Amino acid sequence: EAQVTQNPRYLITVTGKKLTVTCSQNMNHEYMSWYRQDPGLGLRQIYYSMNVEVTDKGDVPEGYKVSRKEKRNFPLILESPSPNQTSLYFCASSLAPAQLGTDEQFFGPGTRLTVL
Amino acid sequence: AQTVTQSQPEMSVQEAETVTLSCTYDTSESDYYLFWYKQPPSRQMILVIRQEAYKQQNATENRFSVNFQKAAKSFSLKISDSQLGDAAMYFCASLFGNEKLTFGTGTRLTIIP
Repeated sequence: EAQVTQNPRYLITVTGKKLTVTCSQNMNHEYMSWYRQDPGLGLRQIYYSMNVEVTDKGDVPEGYKVSRKEKRNFPLILESPSPNQTSLYFCASSLAPAQLGTDEQFFGPGTRLTVL
Repeated sequence: AQTVTQSQPEMSVQEAETVTLSCTYDTSESDYYLFWYKQPPSRQMILVIRQEAYKQQNATENRFSVNFQKAAKSFSLKISDSQLGDAAMYFCASLFGNEKLTFGTGTRLTIIP
């Protein structure tokens, strides 16, 4: 089954404790991205990757890091989480960059992160 | 700046009735794409329908259709014969030119049995 998986689905942590949210897709997609969803703000892009070893900042990259060492994986890293990073996070992938608008973006199930 | 606006935070409709969710956008681009995504309680984001701006014909997917008014920069979603499984958060999104995917703030749809 074609899918995007994220782990963990729920995470409660404390300020300053480094964490990683994993994202993996089994569709051989080149384009992957991370979004955060906050009430009243919709979804905002954090980082995106056009291919292996190619990443770029989205709209709200501060406080986040990503890496793309393999095509299928795109982890989101919070080196020193803060309470304002409490949010719902989505990973997404598509065959072509979202900018082309020609391919559907497949979203993962979401990760609910709470930073105390 | 490119913007997408959903002015209805919540909507409700009786089962089997028709409901229309509104979305407006602002762009100076002539070529762009518009999307409606559904987010059910499972929180997954599911593409419902897509519209290319250069196409005059409104997109349709089964019970879902759009009313695309390019001059008015309006992109509403019509759901016919509403079903309980349609209850979800609906997001309008857009791709303007070579920019990133931009989402509206969402409309929560409740289906009344």
